[in-house]
Amino acid sequence: GENVEQHPSTLSVQEGDSAVIKCTYSDSASNYFPWYKQELGKRPQLIIDIRSNVGEKKDQRIAVTLNKTAKHFSLHITETQPEDSAVYFCAAYGAGSYQLTFGKGTKLSVIP
Amino acid sequence: EAGVAQSPRYKIIEKRQSVAFWCNPISGHATLYWYQQILGQGPKLLIQFQNNGVVDDSQLPKDRFSAERLKGVDSTLKIQPAKLEDSAVYLCASSLGTSAYEQYFGPGTRLTVT
Repeated sequence: GENVEQHPSTLSVQEGDSAVIKCTYSDSASNYFPWYKQELGKRPQLIIDIRSNVGEKKDQRIAVTLNKTAKHFSLHITETQPEDSAVYFCAAYGAGSYQLTFGKGTKLSVIP
Repeated sequence: EAGVAQSPRYKIIEKRQSVAFWCNPISGHATLYWYQQILGQGPKLLIQFQNNGVVDDSQLPKDRFSAERLKGVDSTLKIQPAKLEDSAVYLCASSLGTSAYEQYFGPGTRLTVT
């Protein structure tokens, strides 16, 4: 089945700096890669996603890049703010398993 | 639009007891998912329904877990009997189409088994 590795597990940045979280996946047939933000005690919220026919997607301060050859994708957050502090999960949709497989999460702390 | 609803939000039971969770997906969403999220980990799919049929239950511990989605709308997940290792947050999600794209999660039920 699909295996998703996510790094780093924790990340601290100063307010205003950029944050980058990276994920790798194992199933070359995977074609959909969402990112979820989960604040403490809250539900995971879909913040951005990308499909395998696109290399990059942006939405205001967040962007996701996908390298299908290397089987990795990354989340970029620019001009970080304290409210960006949360756990971020990447996931991959395996065409073979027809299910989302999640990474273990990255705890992002934005220091004011 | 209204989001995915779940109840209860919290539940504490003793091991070997039974428990049931309820989920109401976003109106019109054909696909419903139950996930288990253990503290410090990402959600793990337990079962996926498309309308009222099971698409994938390969990771559901069927000796103790069961789920149903009657009439293709609401769903219940049951654990009987519960074990200590079942302590987790149980998340329900739904998506509009029949693929796993754009899943929206409910607030979850935090289960503590003592």
